[in-house]
Amino acid sequence: GNSVTQMEGPVTLSEEAFLTINCTYTATGYPSLFWYVQYPGEGLQLLLKATKADDKGSNKGFEATYRKETTSFHLEKGSVQVSDSAVYFCALSDFSSGSARQLTFGSGTQLTVLP
Amino acid sequence: GAVVSQHPSWVICKSGTSVKIECRSLDFQATTMFWYRQFPKQSLMLMATSNEGSKATYEQGVEKDKFLINHASLTLSTLTVTSAHPEDSSFYICSARPVAREVYNEQFFGPGTRLTVL
Repeated sequence: GNSVTQMEGPVTLSEEAFLTINCTYTATGYPSLFWYVQYPGEGLQLLLKATKADDKGSNKGFEATYRKETTSFHLEKGSVQVSDSAVYFCALSDFSSGSARQLTFGSGTQLTVLP
Repeated sequence: GAVVSQHPSWVICKSGTSVKIECRSLDFQATTMFWYRQFPKQSLMLMATSNEGSKATYEQGVEKDKFLINHASLTLSTLTVTSAHPEDSSFYICSARPVAREVYNEQFFGPGTRLTVL
């Protein structure tokens, strides 16, 4: 079956530090990959996505590259801000299985950025 | 665009009562909506997949008679927690998948509903 493994948190960084949150996946087919962000007390927002190997998703200074050879989709940002403090979820959706096309989520990584 | 709303945003009810949560896609049509449950500091657990005009598909271990789902239109799905008990207290999140984005399974999430059962 499909699964997503995320770097365990919490992660605490100082403002302007470099961020990496690791994400690896297992899928039976050719998944699309997503990063979602959840701010306190809110639902999830799509941060970025990639639909095929070597695609790079980017948004708000965040980037992630779909690496098929390492089955990874690590999230990076060169200079984090206090406002980036949130929980980040890596997710995949595999269409080749032909089933319900659900999203499979990682466990989430809590990021706290200190001023 | 692609906004999903939930109502109410929070609700407190007595044990044994029923609570209805609405999920609406405001600016797009969604043949498929999903209902998730999230416990504190944990990931989302898919409860059921709601399909417009047909019965919902429930995940293993989710009681369909307790969590009633209705998807009566392309923009509205409802989750009714029947005879709620304190263990049903949780954060319920819905998502909607635009018809035009089904290929990539791109889902847009509502802001969530905090249910507290006393």
